[in-house]
Amino acid sequence: GAGVSQTPSNKVTEKGKYVELRCDPISGHTALYWYRQSLGQGPEFLIYFQGTGAADDSGLPNDRFFAVRPEGSVSTLKIQRTERGDSAVYLCASSPGANVLTFGAGSRLTVL
Amino acid sequence: GENVEQHPSTLSVQEGDSAVIKCTYSDSASNYFPWYKQELGKRPQLIIDIRSNVGEKKDQRIAVTLNKTAKHFSLHITETQPEDSAVYFCAATYFGNEKLTFGTGTRLTIIP
Repeated sequence: GAGVSQTPSNKVTEKGKYVELRCDPISGHTALYWYRQSLGQGPEFLIYFQGTGAADDSGLPNDRFFAVRPEGSVSTLKIQRTERGDSAVYLCASSPGANVLTFGAGSRLTVL
Repeated sequence: GENVEQHPSTLSVQEGDSAVIKCTYSDSASNYFPWYKQELGKRPQLIIDIRSNVGEKKDQRIAVTLNKTAKHFSLHITETQPEDSAVYFCAATYFGNEKLTFGTGTRLTIIP
């Protein structure tokens, strides 16, 4: 597609529920990133994919967070047993290389 | 790991005047420094970047300077316009490391 597409744009869930956030990167971009942005803060790195593999998942806060990119294109960020502290905007970005990132519009997650 | 500090957190400038935002970084290995602009409710967008082999880069009204010795870099916006109002984020990384570390952002307001 023309840009990075993220769905849903907004997700409200209850504490303890499971959520999935989807990212469709720019066609041909092999690198895909997930960042998390809390109110008034800069984006915080979560995970980076090169192709199908997670090359760096050092930013995932704990084992409730998991991400996949099975065919090297679309990626899904999965959060189990959500907590109120997980509320944030989850940003996906893709890149053709050399750290030049194009971000999506984000998925705003609210955990009640 | 890398730590990026950004100042000021808010900045108000009269339309037509210049604005300067400063960032410092901790990891001397960092050699790529992008700046992102984020309008309210929108995605971060890359506006300019600089690599450590140069000390300054300009793009129309926007310029970035880098002092590797002091480990700081700055964004300069001249002849500011109302559409420059946004939150600006600096970031740092090094080639081979796909993890961008962002500053906490500067909310720039242009006063008509």
